[in-house]
Amino acid sequence: ETGVTQTPRHLVMGMTNKKSLKCEQHLGHNAMYWYKQSAKKPLELMFVYSLEERVENNSVPSRFSPECPNSSHLFLHLHTLQPEDSALYLCASSPTSAGEELGTQYFGPGTRLTVL
Amino acid sequence: GDSVTQMEGPVTLSEEAFLTINCTYTATGYPSLFWYVQYPGEGLQLLLKATKADDKGSNKGFEATYRKETTSFHLEKGSVQVSDSAVYFCALSRPGAQKLVFGQGTRLTINP
Repeated sequence: ETGVTQTPRHLVMGMTNKKSLKCEQHLGHNAMYWYKQSAKKPLELMFVYSLEERVENNSVPSRFSPECPNSSHLFLHLHTLQPEDSALYLCASSPTSAGEELGTQYFGPGTRLTVL
Repeated sequence: GDSVTQMEGPVTLSEEAFLTINCTYTATGYPSLFWYVQYPGEGLQLLLKATKADDKGSNKGFEATYRKETTSFHLEKGSVQVSDSAVYFCALSRPGAQKLVFGQGTRLTINP
């Protein structure tokens, strides 16, 4: 499989559930990202990992907990979410070394999350 | 701080019409500029990019030229198709930076 994959593609959960979103990239990149895309709002960057270290956390509530066990995998652990957290969650990856591709991000298809 | 401003959508055109989606940016230095496209039910895909002034990015009949003097990167296509219906995002990244700064997106609908 090539590119960036995300599972599951759709998730419905109650406010008391705990679930995890998974992202995997097959591009040999060293940086990975989580974004939130809500209707009628700009794309929101949530977390950035570079070389498996979290380098950015944009004031995201603690009910979202990222994990990056290696440079190919990124998780977003979810617990006690609110209905307003319903959105499309996008994962992306990018290279970290200098060159033409620096700054270019490659996105997965997203996980459509609905919180009841 | 850095920012990207796109024309307000939604934009609705007939098939074979000429398309322009305006994008202007504010950034220090010489950022790289990108257009991403999001088809219904999918993630964002890189459409084209330009890394220095006067560069022209092109792909699938779309073009955009990096204009430093007007801080713009407008997306154009000479003859749109129904399959071009999607949301288009303009974005920038600063040299050496990993973050992308996105515009708000422009929804494009092409009618047959």
